[in-house]
Amino acid sequence: DQQVKQNSPSLSVQEGRISILNCDYTNSMFDYFLWYKKYPAEGPTFLISISSIKDKNEDGRFTVFLNKSAKHLSLHIVPSQPGDSAVYFCAASGNFGSWGKLQFGAGTQVVVTP
Amino acid sequence: GAGVSQSPSNKVTEKGKDVELRCDPISGHTALYWYRQSLGQGLEFLIYFQGNSAPDKSGLPSDRFSAERTGGSVSTLTIQRTQQEDSAVYLCASSEQETQYFGPGTRLLVL
Repeated sequence: DQQVKQNSPSLSVQEGRISILNCDYTNSMFDYFLWYKKYPAEGPTFLISISSIKDKNEDGRFTVFLNKSAKHLSLHIVPSQPGDSAVYFCAASGNFGSWGKLQFGAGTQVVVTP
Repeated sequence: GAGVSQSPSNKVTEKGKDVELRCDPISGHTALYWYRQSLGQGLEFLIYFQGNSAPDKSGLPSDRFSAERTGGSVSTLTIQRTQQEDSAVYLCASSEQETQYFGPGTRLLVL
């Protein structure tokens, strides 16, 4: 039962433009959401997170938006840079029995072209 | 400071053999997690340790998988009688609060 879904397996964007990655979830008990970036042969690197009490969190070039009514979050990267080429995972957790267990989406491969 | 470390970085084994994977969490982190990523898949939760509480083993795929965490720090994930479908990247993470920080993973190949 996939509770976190990233429906776009890949995204290609030009350098300098905005990258928008989407994530949907089904469990309304999720209360904390995270985005991770992963390069080949490395572990995921934490990027940015958002609590369910907020609808936006910004950190430099990265902004995460949360729409609880739609059970949808998105990650905006602006401007996109070649080093942003990686797989991006959306993850969610909730205080429903297992405090920290993360449910991950399948990932979106981002390619930033010159 | 030092991040999460895992060893070995790569492991090739024959079907039926046992393997042990090690994780050293970030110092002071009370929570430790194991995940795995099979080829082309997302990350799948395996097991979670929080302080002295009983671990959450709800993600372990079979009784061939077990894990322990000694002294609240280092953890070992053991897979007995490995099967080819166990081939994956095994990732360890630790956390102090909600955000989990991952190690580089152990790439396991079962021939």
